Amino acid sequence: QLQLQESGPGLVKPSETLSLTCTVSGGSISSTSYYWGWIRQPPGKGLEWIGSIYYSGSTYYNPSLKSRVTISVDTSKNQFSLKLSSVTAADTAVYYCARHAPFNGGFDPWGQGTLVTVSS
Amino acid sequence: QSALTQPASVSGSPGQSITISCTGTSSDVGGYNYVSWYQQHPGKAPKLMIYDVSNRPSGVSNRFSGSKSGNTASLTISGLQAEDEADYYCSSYTSSNTLAIFGGGTKLTVL
Repeated sequence: QLQLQESGPGLVKPSETLSLTCTVSGGSISSTSYYWGWIRQPPGKGLEWIGSIYYSGSTYYNPSLKSRVTISVDTSKNQFSLKLSSVTAADTAVYYCARHAPFNGGFDPWGQGTLVTVSS
Repeated sequence: QSALTQPASVSGSPGQSITISCTGTSSDVGGYNYVSWYQQHPGKAPKLMIYDVSNRPSGVSNRFSGSKSGNTASLTISGLQAEDEADYYCSSYTSSNTLAIFGGGTKLTVL
């Protein structure tokens, strides 16, 4: 059974870089059939797609965040990572990682999510 | 890109059917058969309920069904149960560079 788990600091200072890692277990991140994505949800608000990566390293980003986002993959560790630079309080959210089929064929499964708070 | 439009809330009594709409444009919902729906209970991660407009993942009850007409997709839940009370989000593919946009979410209350 495929499982995803987010990890990283729960508190980040304004203007710094948020860094999270998603560890995939029960399956290979090198599968040619899937993409790996990051989605976030500010407290009490809706979902926002951040970006996705293919095992080969091809990346796709939300245009509204593209200038600040970098997603990378480490196939040797079965992990993919998110970096979001120059964070502000507006970036405070629960960050989820998830697998999805090409062309957004449904995000499934999801990690449990990790709350990242941006505060000094 | 603007989020897809969903009603803020819907409600229904146990046993009844409800439908949640998700309105986009010809550049997303109307242009591709890549609409998915998610159920989210408080404090939990979203769960995929429908993908590719009308397909149910293994393990999802057949009380959940999806459809699309023009730029509007719909999620129908029949035989409402108390456990269906949750937030529901739609999502659509939009273009080769923007893989996903989400709706604002709909809170379903089972009366």
